Amino acid sequence: DQQVKQNSPSLSVQEGRISILNCDYTNSMFDYFLWYKKYPAEGPTFLISISSIKDKNEDGRFTVFLNKSAKHLSLHIVPSQPGDSAVYFCAANEDNAGNMLTFGGGTRLMVKP
Amino acid sequence: KAGVTQTPRYLIKTRGQQVTLSCSPISGHRSVSWYQQTPGQGLQFLFEYFSETQRNKGNFPGRFSGRQFSNSRSEMNVSTLELGDSALYLCASSLGAGSGGYTFGSGTRLTVV
Repeated sequence: DQQVKQNSPSLSVQEGRISILNCDYTNSMFDYFLWYKKYPAEGPTFLISISSIKDKNEDGRFTVFLNKSAKHLSLHIVPSQPGDSAVYFCAANEDNAGNMLTFGGGTRLMVKP
Repeated sequence: KAGVTQTPRYLIKTRGQQVTLSCSPISGHRSVSWYQQTPGQGLQFLFEYFSETQRNKGNFPGRFSGRQFSNSRSEMNVSTLELGDSALYLCASSLGAGSGGYTFGSGTRLTVV
Protein backbone atom coordinates (compact mmCIF):
# COMPACT_ATOMS: atom_id res chain seq x y z
CA ASP A 1 0.00 0.00 0.00
CA GLN A 2 1.70 3.18 -1.23
CA GLN A 3 1.23 5.94 1.30
CA VAL A 4 2.84 8.55 -0.96
CA LYS A 5 2.05 8.57 -4.66
CA GLN A 6 3.31 10.53 -7.60
CA ASN A 7 0.90 9.60 -10.34
CA SER A 8 2.79 11.16 -13.22
CA PRO A 9 5.93 9.17 -14.04
CA SER A 10 7.13 11.86 -16.41
CA LEU A 11 6.55 15.49 -17.36
CA SER A 12 7.88 17.50 -20.29
CA VAL A 13 7.96 21.30 -20.15
CA GLN A 14 9.36 24.05 -22.34
CA GLU A 15 12.18 26.17 -20.93
CA GLY A 16 10.86 29.29 -19.24
CA ARG A 17 7.44 27.82 -18.54
CA ILE A 18 6.07 26.54 -15.24
CA SER A 19 6.63 22.95 -14.12
CA ILE A 20 4.05 21.51 -11.73
CA LEU A 21 4.79 18.24 -10.03
CA ASN A 22 2.10 16.59 -7.95
CA CYS A 23 2.07 14.26 -4.99
CA ASP A 24 -0.76 12.62 -3.04
CA TYR A 25 -0.62 10.92 0.33
CA THR A 26 -2.96 8.78 2.38
CA ASN A 27 -1.47 8.82 5.88
CA SER A 28 -3.07 11.62 7.90
CA MET A 29 -0.23 11.34 10.44
CA PHE A 30 2.26 12.83 8.00
CA ASP A 31 3.10 16.34 9.16
CA TYR A 32 6.22 17.27 7.22
CA PHE A 33 6.81 17.04 3.50
CA LEU A 34 9.94 17.36 1.42
CA TRP A 35 10.89 17.48 -2.23
CA TYR A 36 14.11 16.01 -3.53
CA LYS A 37 15.77 16.16 -6.93
CA LYS A 38 17.81 13.21 -8.13
CA TYR A 39 20.22 12.61 -10.96
CA PRO A 40 21.19 9.06 -12.00
CA ALA A 41 23.83 7.40 -9.82
CA GLU A 42 23.66 10.23 -7.28
CA GLY A 43 21.86 10.64 -4.00
CA PRO A 44 18.74 12.81 -3.79
CA THR A 45 19.34 16.51 -3.22
CA PHE A 46 17.00 18.38 -0.89
CA LEU A 47 15.01 21.13 -2.60
CA ILE A 48 12.31 22.46 -0.34
CA SER A 49 10.07 21.36 2.52
CA ILE A 50 6.82 22.33 4.16
CA SER A 51 5.30 21.74 7.55
CA SER A 52 1.66 20.78 7.86
CA ILE A 53 0.95 24.02 9.70
CA LYS A 54 1.60 25.92 6.48
CA ASP A 55 0.00 25.77 3.07
CA LYS A 56 2.80 27.35 1.06
CA ASN A 57 6.56 27.65 1.19
CA GLU A 58 8.68 29.48 -1.35
CA ASP A 59 12.40 29.38 -2.08
CA GLY A 60 13.55 31.18 -5.19
CA ARG A 61 12.10 29.48 -8.26
CA PHE A 62 10.61 26.68 -6.16
CA THR A 63 7.27 26.82 -4.36
CA VAL A 64 5.56 23.98 -2.55
CA PHE A 65 1.82 24.03 -1.89
CA LEU A 66 0.10 21.80 0.64
CA ASN A 67 -3.63 21.03 0.67
CA LYS A 68 -4.18 19.01 3.82
CA SER A 69 -7.86 18.39 3.28
CA ALA A 70 -7.13 16.86 -0.11
CA LYS A 71 -3.91 15.21 1.14
CA HIS A 72 -2.15 16.71 -1.84
CA LEU A 73 1.01 18.69 -2.38
CA SER A 74 2.60 20.16 -5.43
CA LEU A 75 5.94 21.62 -6.42
CA HIS A 76 5.99 24.58 -8.79
CA ILE A 77 9.17 25.51 -10.63
CA VAL A 78 9.09 28.92 -12.31
CA PRO A 79 10.73 29.52 -14.70
CA SER A 80 11.84 26.03 -15.64
CA GLN A 81 15.41 25.62 -16.85
CA PRO A 82 17.09 22.74 -18.73
CA GLY A 83 19.23 22.10 -15.65
CA ASP A 84 16.07 21.25 -13.75
CA SER A 85 15.75 18.05 -15.78
CA ALA A 86 15.93 15.24 -13.24
CA VAL A 87 13.74 12.88 -11.25
CA TYR A 88 11.78 14.59 -8.48
CA PHE A 89 10.65 12.74 -5.37
CA CYS A 90 8.23 13.90 -2.76
CA ALA A 91 8.67 12.47 0.72
CA ALA A 92 6.69 12.59 3.94
CA ASN A 93 7.53 12.25 7.61
CA GLU A 94 5.49 11.61 10.75
CA ASP A 95 6.23 13.64 13.85
CA ASN A 96 6.95 10.61 16.02
CA ALA A 97 8.83 8.62 13.38
CA GLY A 98 12.24 10.15 13.81
CA ASN A 99 13.84 10.74 10.46
CA MET A 100 12.02 7.98 8.60
CA LEU A 101 10.87 9.26 5.22
CA THR A 102 8.24 7.69 3.01
CA PHE A 103 8.93 8.46 -0.64
CA GLY A 104 6.75 8.67 -3.69
CA GLY A 105 7.76 6.84 -6.84
CA GLY A 106 9.22 9.91 -8.51
CA THR A 107 8.43 12.05 -11.56
CA ARG A 108 10.96 12.49 -14.34
CA LEU A 109 10.97 16.13 -15.43
CA MET A 110 12.36 17.04 -18.83
CA VAL A 111 12.80 20.72 -19.59
CA LYS A 112 13.29 21.33 -23.30
CA PRO A 113 15.39 24.29 -24.47
CA LYS B 1 32.15 21.09 4.84
CA ALA B 2 32.35 17.45 3.76
CA GLY B 3 29.10 15.80 2.74
CA VAL B 4 27.84 12.32 3.47
CA THR B 5 30.42 9.80 2.29
CA GLN B 6 29.47 6.29 1.27
CA THR B 7 31.94 3.55 0.46
CA PRO B 8 32.38 1.71 -1.73
CA ARG B 9 30.62 3.36 -4.67
CA TYR B 10 30.21 0.13 -6.59
CA LEU B 11 30.20 -3.49 -5.50
CA ILE B 12 29.60 -6.82 -7.22
CA LYS B 13 28.81 -9.83 -5.07
CA THR B 14 27.67 -13.39 -5.65
CA ARG B 15 24.42 -14.83 -4.36
CA GLY B 16 24.81 -16.21 -0.87
CA GLN B 17 27.64 -13.89 0.09
CA GLN B 18 27.37 -11.10 2.59
CA VAL B 19 28.26 -7.43 2.18
CA THR B 20 29.02 -4.47 4.42
CA LEU B 21 28.44 -0.90 3.31
CA SER B 22 29.78 2.14 5.10
CA CYS B 23 28.45 5.64 5.65
CA SER B 24 30.21 8.62 7.20
CA PRO B 25 27.72 11.37 8.05
CA ILE B 26 28.30 15.10 7.96
CA SER B 27 30.36 16.20 10.92
CA GLY B 28 28.07 16.87 13.88
CA HIS B 29 25.17 14.87 12.48
CA ARG B 30 24.05 12.16 14.87
CA SER B 31 21.26 10.54 12.89
CA VAL B 32 21.97 8.18 10.00
CA SER B 33 19.27 6.57 7.89
CA TRP B 34 19.57 3.97 5.16
CA TYR B 35 17.41 3.59 2.06
CA GLN B 36 17.24 1.09 -0.77
CA GLN B 37 16.40 2.27 -4.26
CA THR B 38 15.28 -0.19 -6.91
CA PRO B 39 13.49 0.44 -10.23
CA GLY B 40 10.43 -1.49 -9.11
CA GLN B 41 10.05 -0.38 -5.49
CA GLY B 42 11.48 3.12 -5.55
CA LEU B 43 13.15 4.51 -2.43
CA GLN B 44 12.39 2.43 0.65
CA PHE B 45 13.43 3.09 4.22
CA LEU B 46 15.66 0.43 5.78
CA PHE B 47 16.54 1.76 9.24
CA GLU B 48 17.64 4.79 11.21
CA TYR B 49 20.30 5.06 13.88
CA PHE B 50 20.67 7.83 16.40
CA SER B 51 23.38 7.89 19.05
CA GLU B 52 24.28 4.27 18.32
CA THR B 53 20.70 3.06 18.79
CA GLN B 54 18.35 1.85 16.11
CA ARG B 55 15.38 4.19 16.30
CA ASN B 56 13.26 3.00 13.39
CA LYS B 57 13.20 -0.01 11.10
CA GLY B 58 11.55 -0.51 7.75
CA ASN B 59 9.88 -3.60 6.41
CA PHE B 60 12.93 -5.60 5.37
CA PRO B 61 13.96 -9.14 6.33
CA GLY B 62 16.41 -9.81 9.14
CA ARG B 63 19.18 -10.35 6.59
CA PHE B 64 19.46 -6.58 6.55
CA SER B 65 21.12 -5.16 9.64
CA GLY B 66 23.06 -2.13 10.65
CA ARG B 67 24.93 -0.42 13.40
CA GLN B 68 26.26 2.97 14.35
CA PHE B 69 29.52 3.75 16.04
CA SER B 70 30.30 6.36 18.68
CA ASN B 71 31.63 8.72 15.99
CA SER B 72 28.22 8.46 14.23
CA ARG B 73 29.62 6.49 11.30
CA SER B 74 27.28 3.71 10.28
CA GLU B 75 27.49 0.39 8.53
CA MET B 76 24.81 -1.77 7.05
CA ASN B 77 25.19 -5.46 6.42
CA VAL B 78 23.27 -7.76 4.12
CA SER B 79 23.77 -11.47 4.63
CA THR B 80 22.94 -14.35 2.29
CA LEU B 81 22.61 -12.04 -0.70
CA GLU B 82 19.82 -12.58 -3.20
CA LEU B 83 19.55 -11.31 -6.77
CA GLY B 84 16.75 -9.00 -5.65
CA ASP B 85 19.12 -7.19 -3.30
CA SER B 86 20.73 -5.53 -6.30
CA ALA B 87 20.03 -1.85 -5.74
CA LEU B 88 21.39 1.57 -4.98
CA TYR B 89 21.82 1.85 -1.21
CA LEU B 90 21.61 5.40 0.06
CA CYS B 91 22.59 6.84 3.39
CA ALA B 92 21.23 10.11 4.76
CA SER B 93 22.36 12.05 7.78
CA SER B 94 20.77 14.76 9.87
CA LEU B 95 21.54 16.67 13.05
CA GLY B 96 19.11 14.89 15.28
CA ALA B 97 15.54 13.90 15.88
CA GLY B 98 12.62 15.19 13.93
CA SER B 99 12.15 16.51 10.46
CA GLY B 100 14.29 18.26 7.99
CA GLY B 101 17.96 18.66 7.31
CA TYR B 102 18.44 15.30 5.62
CA THR B 103 21.50 15.12 3.41
CA PHE B 104 22.02 12.07 1.24
CA GLY B 105 25.25 10.49 0.12
CA SER B 106 25.84 9.39 -3.47
CA GLY B 107 25.06 5.79 -2.62
CA THR B 108 26.59 2.38 -3.10
CA ARG B 109 25.52 0.49 -6.20
CA LEU B 110 25.33 -3.18 -5.25
CA THR B 111 25.01 -5.80 -7.98
CA VAL B 112 24.35 -9.40 -6.98
CA VAL B 113 25.16 -11.99 -9.62
